Amino acid sequence: GAGVSQSPRYKVAKRGQDVALRCDPISGHVSLFWYQQALGQGPEFLTYFQNEAQLDKSGLPSDRFFAERPEGSVSTLKIQRTQQEDSAVYLCASSPSEKLFFGSGTQLSVL
Amino acid sequence: GIQVEQSPPDLILQEGANSTLRCNFSDSVNNLQWFHQNPWGQLINLFYIPSGTKQNGRLSATTVATERYSLLYISSSQTTDSGVYFCAGNAGGTSYGKLTFGQGTILTVHP
Repeated sequence: GAGVSQSPRYKVAKRGQDVALRCDPISGHVSLFWYQQALGQGPEFLTYFQNEAQLDKSGLPSDRFFAERPEGSVSTLKIQRTQQEDSAVYLCASSPSEKLFFGSGTQLSVL
Repeated sequence: GIQVEQSPPDLILQEGANSTLRCNFSDSVNNLQWFHQNPWGQLINLFYIPSGTKQNGRLSATTVATERYSLLYISSSQTTDSGVYFCAGNAGGTSYGKLTFGQGTILTVHP
């Protein structure tokens, strides 16, 4: 079966632009997570959904970051007024229980 | 939050060699997992191992929860084993998928 799918694979944005990153989880996975990975670092937790409910958003770095999962399947991570420090790989993971399965990520570069 | 320390930070092997990677946690963790990030950035879940020992082909992992560490063993290494190995876990009382990752071990296997 298909794994976690993320799009776009690469995104270049000018500082100040808004961006939207998409995640298609594995079918049937209730839980969905977003992580941010800076170059040379381990991923860092951003937010967590169970179905359409956002249960934990403690890792979102500022109010410019917003995530949604309106129908409990596809999720979108939106970053408003992008800044250079937002440049990173954004990883999405889904899970049926304890194990997390990650997508290939979206590499965001803010110029 | 918990601290995750991985060692060694870098490891260079000849094909066929064995290796042991270690992960130490500052506090008790749940949901301990090992991941391999390949050169294309894909994070592959190797093991969900909150305690005990598991084996999958040439890879095995052992977690001693009472002593707050986990080990990943790679036997008869192959060039395709190259990449970054991460361990991750979550502290009690947090969302199960809110994993804290270590800094990773960069493994390079030469033919």
